[in-house]
Amino acid sequence: AQSVTQLGSHVSVSEGALVLLRCNYSSSVPPYLFWYVQYPNQGLQLLLKYTTGATLVKGINGFEAEFKKSETSFHLTKPSAHMSDAAEYFCAVSGTGNQFYFGTGTSLTVIP
Amino acid sequence: EAQVTQNPRYLITVTGKKLTVTCSQNMNHEYMSWYRQDPGLGLRQIYYSMNVEVTDKGDVPEGYKVSRKEKRNFPLILESPSPNQTSLYFCASSFFPLHFGNGTRLTVT
Repeated sequence: AQSVTQLGSHVSVSEGALVLLRCNYSSSVPPYLFWYVQYPNQGLQLLLKYTTGATLVKGINGFEAEFKKSETSFHLTKPSAHMSDAAEYFCAVSGTGNQFYFGTGTSLTVIP
Repeated sequence: EAQVTQNPRYLITVTGKKLTVTCSQNMNHEYMSWYRQDPGLGLRQIYYSMNVEVTDKGDVPEGYKVSRKEKRNFPLILESPSPNQTSLYFCASSFFPLHFGNGTRLTVT
């Protein structure tokens, strides 16, 4: 069985500061890992994904995440926050590709 | 334009009155799925379909039905809605990545 834990339901950063959103997973099989972003009144959009290969994954809008198997983590980072990054972020895991398990989400606030 | 279309966007209904939320995709994806999003719980998978006539339960299937008679359509059916099914619902197609619709906000009174 798979599960996802996102630490911190709300994160606030100043504009220009580092963004770090934490995600830990459990999976009985090699995982596929994802970060999605949700803007108000919209569906979720893929930010980045890890399937195989390079453990540092780059996504859209300057975000990246690193798969660390030893720590069962897939934290999302961005060097410099922008006002437009304010949104809700979801980490997700899929082991078999049939079912997806999402974390409870982290709401990111960017302070001007 | 490639998209997943859900209808309606907003729905208010009463307990026990059957309803259907439609979902259609124009990307020829074989895989489709339904989720509900609740505050503090994130998204939870209700049902998924690997292909036409092949559906399976996700984590929270109780009170829901689905059908997949055509590749492009995957409706979600609530035969007797209850207030605990008040939620934001998302349809998605494809595996990697999931392509989401814009959601249906359902209120059951």
